[in-house]
Amino acid sequence: AQSVSQHNHHVILSEAASLELGCNYSYGGTVNLFWYVQYPGQHLQLLLKYFSGDPLVKGIKGFEAEFIKSKFSFNLRKPSVQWSDTAEYFCAFSSGGSYIPTFGRGTSLIVHP
Amino acid sequence: DTEVTQTPKHLVMGMTNKKSLKCEQHMGHRAMYWYKQKAKKPPELMFVYSYEKLSINESVPSRFSPECPNSSLLNLHLHALQPEDSALYLCASSQDVGLGPYNEQFFGPGTRLTVL
Repeated sequence: AQSVSQHNHHVILSEAASLELGCNYSYGGTVNLFWYVQYPGQHLQLLLKYFSGDPLVKGIKGFEAEFIKSKFSFNLRKPSVQWSDTAEYFCAFSSGGSYIPTFGRGTSLIVHP
Repeated sequence: DTEVTQTPKHLVMGMTNKKSLKCEQHMGHRAMYWYKQKAKKPPELMFVYSYEKLSINESVPSRFSPECPNSSLLNLHLHALQPEDSALYLCASSQDVGLGPYNEQFFGPGTRLTVL
């Protein structure tokens, strides 16, 4: 069965620290990959997405992610986090096996000012 | 217009009530979804409509009844809910259900449901 895993369930950082959140999926074929963010009390917003082409994807708010096919990974990065980045981050993917995106369990990020 | 709207924002209902959640999009999307989300958890897929036909029902109890009156609207009818059904109910839409750029989902703000 296809699945997506996020290894970091809770991350606590200080402002200006660098961020990397892990995301791995299990499927051998073509995939679409997404990172969503959910700020406290707000709805899911798309940070970035990968469909094809350049494996390094730039998103909103200074986030980026790199698709590494050989590692089945799509890790999210930001060089310098801000207090306002405190949120839940969800990785999701869809594939030829099921077109409906599957969500990871999420990572709770807390950034201390 | 890249917005998915949902009404109401908040809903409190008793276990014997009947209520409905509404979702609307005007992006010409042909796939619409209902998700249930508990606090600090990922969204759980409930239903998928593709071209106004129910294509996926993730074994959701019959006390939840979806309806797609037209390509822009999606309803979720609620009846005889349980307290454990309290959650954020999210609607989403995408251009289509196929793999590729059609697959990007746009989420609404959700309806915060409390069942007493």
